[in-house]
Amino acid sequence: DAGITQSPRHKVTETGTPVTLRCHQTENHRYMYWYRQDPGHGLRLIHYSYGVKDTDKGEVSDGYSVSRSKTEDFLLTLESATSSQTSVYFCAIRTTTTGTNTEAFFGQGTRLTVV
Amino acid sequence: DQQVKQNSPSLSVQEGRISILNCDYTNSMFDYFLWYKKYPAEGPTFLISISSIKDKNEDGRFTVFLNKSAKHLSLHIVPSQPGDSAVYFCAVSDTSGSRLTFGEGTQLTVNP
Repeated sequence: DAGITQSPRHKVTETGTPVTLRCHQTENHRYMYWYRQDPGHGLRLIHYSYGVKDTDKGEVSDGYSVSRSKTEDFLLTLESATSSQTSVYFCAIRTTTTGTNTEAFFGQGTRLTVV
Repeated sequence: DQQVKQNSPSLSVQEGRISILNCDYTNSMFDYFLWYKKYPAEGPTFLISISSIKDKNEDGRFTVFLNKSAKHLSLHIVPSQPGDSAVYFCAVSDTSGSRLTFGEGTQLTVNP
């Protein structure tokens, strides 16, 4: 267990409503990531954070925003959910230092259904 | 532009035989390569990695090979076991170490 928790684990929401997913870590890792997994697309990076208040876009960031006000929490917000955002969302944490790469640890995932 | 590709969506092998999963990447700046395994309804779990200064890394039944000139990565599982049945993702990281980019995944099925 890498000390990473996602909440909620399952959510059904209506089109047009805002949704926030939470990722919480107890490991004090610098990097946190949000991915979505869809059939045929693998894991695609939505946004990531490299420190408190430091975030950057991934390859599928449209329609999503993130916030990291403290080291342990990374929030993903769908401002106005659409059916195309129905997916399984994974949070990951990772410690890196310049010149040294490490693996990332993933949470259990959040299954989001937009109806 | 897909920077990491796993061209085989699925692979089926017999128990005890070798499983070979392949991954191709486009950017020569990638210098750290990883394989993850994913079971249904669980998060991906780290399996094995290799840095660009090596061409092989072994951990028990799992061996990762890196061919930098071909920009090709492979995972060998010997011998394959039914419990290895899962989706396998390759992932790459560049020298900044900030992003991890994943392939589409390959569903491995090991038949008893």
